[in-house]
Amino acid sequence: DTGVSQNPRHKITKRGQNVTFRCDPISEHNRLYWYRQTLGQGPEFLTYFQNEAQLEKSRLLSDRFSAERPKGSFSTLEIQRTEQGDSAMYLCASSLAWDRDYNEQFFGPGTRLTVL
Amino acid sequence: AQSVSQHNHHVILSEAASLELGCNYSYGGTVNLFWYVQYPGQHLQLLLKYFSGDPLVKGIKGFEAEFIKSKFSFNLRKPSVQWSDTAEYFCAVHMNYGGSQGNLIFGKGTKLSVKP
Repeated sequence: DTGVSQNPRHKITKRGQNVTFRCDPISEHNRLYWYRQTLGQGPEFLTYFQNEAQLEKSRLLSDRFSAERPKGSFSTLEIQRTEQGDSAMYLCASSLAWDRDYNEQFFGPGTRLTVL
Repeated sequence: AQSVSQHNHHVILSEAASLELGCNYSYGGTVNLFWYVQYPGQHLQLLLKYFSGDPLVKGIKGFEAEFIKSKFSFNLRKPSVQWSDTAEYFCAVHMNYGGSQGNLIFGKGTKLSVKP
């Protein structure tokens, strides 16, 4: 399967713990996006990378959230001191586009986070 | 703030009925428009997209959508639905402003249930 993969698929944690999710994009894609989806809502943009550079961050991305893409391939999203409001599906997507171009995003299966 | 509205939360149809799902966005500039579908237990998949040119675009599985710039709309249609079309449908808009290359805004989604 050469699609976007995410690990783990499910994560249950206690409030106050740190969690880290991983996303592996489609191999030739240079852009990688993170979204959060809560029940009854569409995905909400969190941040995106072009290669290893984090180019845009949403106001939703509080200082407890950090994302990295150190070698321009896979990415990690870390949430520190989790809160019950962080419970959501975290989606990763990737695309291939250059400069100011835009292209469609391909989504992974998501990581479902439950904070107890 | 820019937003995307999907008018129907849940639509229930019988097989062979025609489908139209509404989508409106609030932004007067250049947009790229998408419909994504999420089948039960699966990840988001691209159904169709509009970047430029003919405002009537055709997607997979017999779906089509029409971009009406004056109405800021991008409604999804299918002449005859099948039970296998049961899924959640998301309208998404990329708004080209301020150099933004990542900000894909989704509607809240419409659940379609097709009765056999």
